[in-house]
Amino acid sequence: QQPVQSPQAVILREGEDAVINCSSSKALYSVHWYRQKHGEAPVFLMILLKGGEQKGHDKISASFNEKKQQSSLYLTASQLSYSGTYFCGTEGGTSYGKLTFGQGTILTVHP
Amino acid sequence: KAGVTQTPRYLIKTRGQQVTLSCSPISGHRSVSWYQQTPGQGLQFLFEYFSETQRNKGNFPGRFSGRQFSNSRSEMNVSTLELGDSALYLCASSFEGSGTDTQYFGPGTRLTVL
Repeated sequence: QQPVQSPQAVILREGEDAVINCSSSKALYSVHWYRQKHGEAPVFLMILLKGGEQKGHDKISASFNEKKQQSSLYLTASQLSYSGTYFCGTEGGTSYGKLTFGQGTILTVHP
Repeated sequence: KAGVTQTPRYLIKTRGQQVTLSCSPISGHRSVSWYQQTPGQGLQFLFEYFSETQRNKGNFPGRFSGRQFSNSRSEMNVSTLELGDSALYLCASSFEGSGTDTQYFGPGTRLTVL
């Protein structure tokens, strides 16, 4: 089952903060966050693993609630370059090379 | 390190034809996953290869196939193209394809079926 992301879209001014949520009905082993700009490949931001380990971007933080199978991506002091579509990809621990992606959250940052 | 490369970047085909897409992973990465991205269905997993073996497969018809070579480069083939196959095809490489691995995406191949 595809994870559900919320909100579907968010509009910010530079310097504002945003939170993007990702929720799954299945038990998760890891959550992977990506940002994709129009016409470009998804770019890796963050991976959160069951047990609390995180790997990723210096200026972006995220959380993973294993009990609720939810993850949140926190974008603080947003910059114009943060604009794009954010995807969470989930993995259940038994599926080689397969991430199941949410439908995406479109983030637009205005000057 | 060089990133993931995909060729060609753009393809236009007609219904009924077949197409082969190529993906070269990051050096040292042995797992290659393929995804289809469309506006309606989003990012959907096609299959994954590791050490020349398909380890995982998504819910796509048998017209979609792939293979991996000993140097970890991978190809994807779509036979008897349909209009609905028009999409951005992305490959992603990772060290070993486990859930703790980061997948790095290539720029994609934009396939248009007329």
